[in-house]
Amino acid sequence: AQRVTQPEKLLSVFKGAPVELKCNYSYSGSPELFWYVQYSRQRLQLLLRHISRESIKGFTADLNKGETSFHLKKPFAQEEDSAMYYCALITQGGSEKLVFGKGTKLTVNP
Amino acid sequence: DAGVIQSPRHEVTEMGQEVTLRCKPISGHDYLFWYRQTMMRGLELLIYFNNNVPIDDSGMPEDRFSAKMPNASFSTLKIQPSEPRDSAVYFCASSASGAYTDTQYFGPGTRLTVL
Repeated sequence: AQRVTQPEKLLSVFKGAPVELKCNYSYSGSPELFWYVQYSRQRLQLLLRHISRESIKGFTADLNKGETSFHLKKPFAQEEDSAMYYCALITQGGSEKLVFGKGTKLTVNP
Repeated sequence: DAGVIQSPRHEVTEMGQEVTLRCKPISGHDYLFWYRQTMMRGLELLIYFNNNVPIDDSGMPEDRFSAKMPNASFSTLKIQPSEPRDSAVYFCASSASGAYTDTQYFGPGTRLTVL
């Protein structure tokens, strides 16, 4: 089954510290992976996608097929990074759809 | 552009009542998605449409749930009869060219409480 696992429901770090939000996936083909973010009182929005190999707001994510992981990282967390983060996978074969992990709530303390 | 618009933002109803949630996608977007978010199950896709046609409704929980898209600018998600376990936040999202090739833009959600 195609599945996304985010093992941490809550993650708390101090401002300036590195942060890593974990995401593991289960998928038989070549995965297309995304990170979505929801800031307080804002809409869920795309943060980054692995095919773009981009850095958004200082965040990067590298696809590791050997470990089936797509962890989100930032070297120096900021208070405005506090949000709910969702890892997501596009499923293929038949109709495509986005499958989300259950999310990790990141709190960056001053 | 106001983005994806959902109404109502909050709905409180009693068990057994019919509930209708509404969504207006971003103009020009061909795909529309309905999601449900709960603490237990996270964010789940219920159904999605392409050019007003339902493509995948495998996530719809049961026959009490139905969704329609009568035209390119409007969709409804109906629950009849509603049950307390339907309490959740329901999101609508749209994309220009599909879940695979383009970003999904989410609405603010409708928080449904069934008493």
